[in-house]
Amino acid sequence: DIVMTQSPDSLAVSLGERATINCKSSQSVLYSSNNKNNLAWYQQKPGQPPKLLISWASIRQSGVPDRFSGSGSGIDFTLTISSLQAEDVAVYYCQHYASTPHTFGQGTKLEI
Amino acid sequence: EVQLVESGGGIVQPGGSLRLSCAASGFTFSNYWMHWVRQAPGKGLVWVSRISTDGSATTYADSVKGRFTMSRDNAKNTLFLQMDSLRPEDTAVYFCVGGGGSNAPFDFWGQGTLVTVSS
Repeated sequence: DIVMTQSPDSLAVSLGERATINCKSSQSVLYSSNNKNNLAWYQQKPGQPPKLLISWASIRQSGVPDRFSGSGSGIDFTLTISSLQAEDVAVYYCQHYASTPHTFGQGTKLEI
Repeated sequence: EVQLVESGGGIVQPGGSLRLSCAASGFTFSNYWMHWVRQAPGKGLVWVSRISTDGSATTYADSVKGRFTMSRDNAKNTLFLQMDSLRPEDTAVYFCVGGGGSNAPFDFWGQGTLVTVSS
């Protein structure tokens, strides 16, 4: 099974500042058949289901503000929020979907 | 508008059974692989199972293999999770999730239904 490890577990960032969350997989999630990284980022606010933010490591979903960006390849990935807004307070999860089980990282709690 | 609405959660004793349902609308249900993901109180997300578009293929996490059975009725746009031999560690909110393919991101999430296994 592929293990996903996020860092840090929690993060406090001032409004307007940059937030960076890292995700490392125990083996590559890059699919050779399509040269795509099978890696997604989700945002979960209290009392709500997760919401897909980023797919294929760097593709922002429709409606997601452009302050959110994803990068990385192979085993190392990063979610960056360029200028933190109050509504970005949430827990963020990375997940691979390269194979089953489609494991998630343990989550990173982002606070102001 | 895409909607996934879970039902069937509740309190059950260890060793008991529950059947969760998920009613889908707002998208072509039969074109989507579907998943169940659970989240224990205050904990992270755990993938539980998936089913192919036509229901012919299912895959389970080791923790539920042999106890949980996933199925779907494309005519009724409904997803099911039959949970048998429940254990206290199965206590969680169970989310119904839609993904575009067998290995694809999870596009749509339901609000979840709480399953509590306790004597």
